[in-house]
Amino acid sequence: DAGVTQSPTHLIKTRGQHVTLRCSPISGHKSVSWYQQVLGQGPQFIFQYYEKEERGRGNFPDRFSARQFPNYSSELNVNALLLGDSALYLCASLQKGAGETQYFGPGTRLLVL
Amino acid sequence: ELKVEQNPLFLSMQEGKNYTIYCNYSTTSDRLYWYRQDPGKSLESLFVLLSNGAVKQEGRLMASLDTKARLSTLHITAAVHDLSATYFCAVGSLSFAGGTSYGKLTFGQGTILTVHP
Repeated sequence: DAGVTQSPTHLIKTRGQHVTLRCSPISGHKSVSWYQQVLGQGPQFIFQYYEKEERGRGNFPDRFSARQFPNYSSELNVNALLLGDSALYLCASLQKGAGETQYFGPGTRLLVL
Repeated sequence: ELKVEQNPLFLSMQEGKNYTIYCNYSTTSDRLYWYRQDPGKSLESLFVLLSNGAVKQEGRLMASLDTKARLSTLHITAAVHDLSATYFCAVGSLSFAGGTSYGKLTFGQGTILTVHP
């Protein structure tokens, strides 16, 4: 089975622009979580979506938004990009149940100039 | 607010030696995860610990959980160069009050492990 996939792998934007990042979970997984990992730090939780509804939100500004589609894939949108948004954005796929291990995708590396 | 602290943050080991990474967290949880991250790569799941006293082992790595002490350890036995990576612990939390899914992970700062010949 394919793992979690994310696109694009790398992205360069300028301040003020908008970006859309995409994620497809492992087949059969209905939950997707998004994380931001700034260089040298641990990932920080942004959102969780389950069954197309937002189930959790981290401490991020309203410039960050997301949605989940009927096929459980997900998009993360960031408006009005700031230099500080430069990071690795990770998507994690979760099968609800005992353990609930989150399996991470390869990430999208965003550079804001 | 849940805080997760790892120590040490940097660990330089010789091949063949043993060492332990510690993960302390500030609020009650019975979901503790360990991940490995290689430079420029994503996170690889190592262990999921679900109850007090849980111990799991895979190769040269062994993880344990003490929920009363709010402490997890990752023990490395007879280190080899291939273990060089950054190791994160993460605590699982319910995504929202009243929910049933531990969809939110709070990560520690990571421990950068370098194993030398």
